[in-house]
Amino acid sequence: SQQGEEDPQALSIQEGENATMNCSYKTSINNLQWYRQNSGRGLVHLILIRSNEREKHSGRLRVTLDTSKKSSSLLITASRAADTASYFCATDARQAGTALIFGKGTTLSVSS
Amino acid sequence: DAGVTQSPTHLIKTRGQQVTLRCSPKSGHDTVSWYQQALGQGPQFIFQYYEEEERQRGNFPDRFSGHQFPNYSSELNVNALLLGDSALYLCASSGPSSYNEQFFGPGTRLTVL
Repeated sequence: SQQGEEDPQALSIQEGENATMNCSYKTSINNLQWYRQNSGRGLVHLILIRSNEREKHSGRLRVTLDTSKKSSSLLITASRAADTASYFCATDARQAGTALIFGKGTTLSVSS
Repeated sequence: DAGVTQSPTHLIKTRGQQVTLRCSPKSGHDTVSWYQQALGQGPQFIFQYYEEEERQRGNFPDRFSGHQFPNYSSELNVNALLLGDSALYLCASSGPSSYNEQFFGPGTRLTVL
């Protein structure tokens, strides 16, 4: 079963705009990670946020985590065409060991 | 520093055949996990190896088996291939002090005809 669900399924923006993607999950987690995938190849690790953290930044990325709402958001500021990709959130649920559970992802298209 | 590597990149097999996929973890990592990603879906956890033992397994049949070697590299074996086994197979590695931060390889695209 899928623990994480990303929203929206698809997002189209212009270069320079901000892109926000959301992720909801069902059970208590240890950590939540965001990944990027280009053209069905390997996943690139973007950021990990621990369950006791509320916000984390990395370059143009900002991730928030609200454990009371079981949700996370990924904000990409000043988007570039190279940000075009699928974005996935992955959780390791406390009762599921260290297996990562993924949603179906958000497909982001950034046009110039 | 090499990241996670996988081989081969692409593979075409016919139904009923067997396949072996290989993965070398990132330097300093001792845990290898395997995931299956069908087209348009998120990756699904197959199993995880640590200290040459299967530590955790997802909801996959026994046709899927694996192995981890003393140098931490790993193999995924799939027997009696079905058309539905066509997917991108991803290997991820993690280290002893990384909060389960998993780094993925480029994947192996398996097509079963």
